[in-house]
Amino acid sequence: GNSVTQMEGPVTLSEEAFLTINCTYTATGYPSLFWYVQYPGEGLQLLLKATKADDKGSNKGFEATYRKETTSFHLEKGSVQVSDSAVYFCALSPNSGGSNYKLTFGKGTLLTVNP
Amino acid sequence: DSGVTQTPKHLITATGQRVTLRCSPRSGDLSVYWYQQSLDQGLQFLIQYYNGEERAKGNILERFSAQQFPDLHSELNLSSLELGDSALYFCASSPGTSGTREQYFGPGTRLTVT
Repeated sequence: GNSVTQMEGPVTLSEEAFLTINCTYTATGYPSLFWYVQYPGEGLQLLLKATKADDKGSNKGFEATYRKETTSFHLEKGSVQVSDSAVYFCALSPNSGGSNYKLTFGKGTLLTVNP
Repeated sequence: DSGVTQTPKHLITATGQRVTLRCSPRSGDLSVYWYQQSLDQGLQFLIQYYNGEERAKGNILERFSAQQFPDLHSELNLSSLELGDSALYFCASSPGTSGTREQYFGPGTRLTVT
């Protein structure tokens, strides 16, 4: 079945440091890939997405590139801020017919950014 | 604000009881998904409804059931509750049409079973 593996952390960085959170996946065909962010006490927010190989998703300074050859979708940000402290989830949605697009999530990575 | 609403925000109940969680999807979205988030299992897909019909099932216990009503809101029913059912329950919605796969999540219902 489908699965997502991401570095579990926790990750602790200083403000303005470079961030990478690794994510690899197992799925048949060409799934859609997502990064969601969960701030303390809140629901999940869609951060970025990519729907086909070599697509780059980007939002709020975060980027991730869909790499089919390495089945990866690593999240990066050049300069993190304290406000980026949250849990980040990598997820995939299968390339199935019809309308079943259930998400399979990684275990989440807790990021703490210190001033 | 994702446009997905969930009630109640918190629920505390005793073992053996039954509860109902409610979700209203974003305007125009036909698909509703339910997920359970717990410390040991992470985020797990439970069930999906599309335009009133059950479309997919995941790791949903037989004690749990769901439905989607004609106005597209959905309810998740949890019965014979056990301590291990304590978790965050999220609802998500999506248009459900081909090519639009991202899901928008509600704020969740935190269930505590004592």
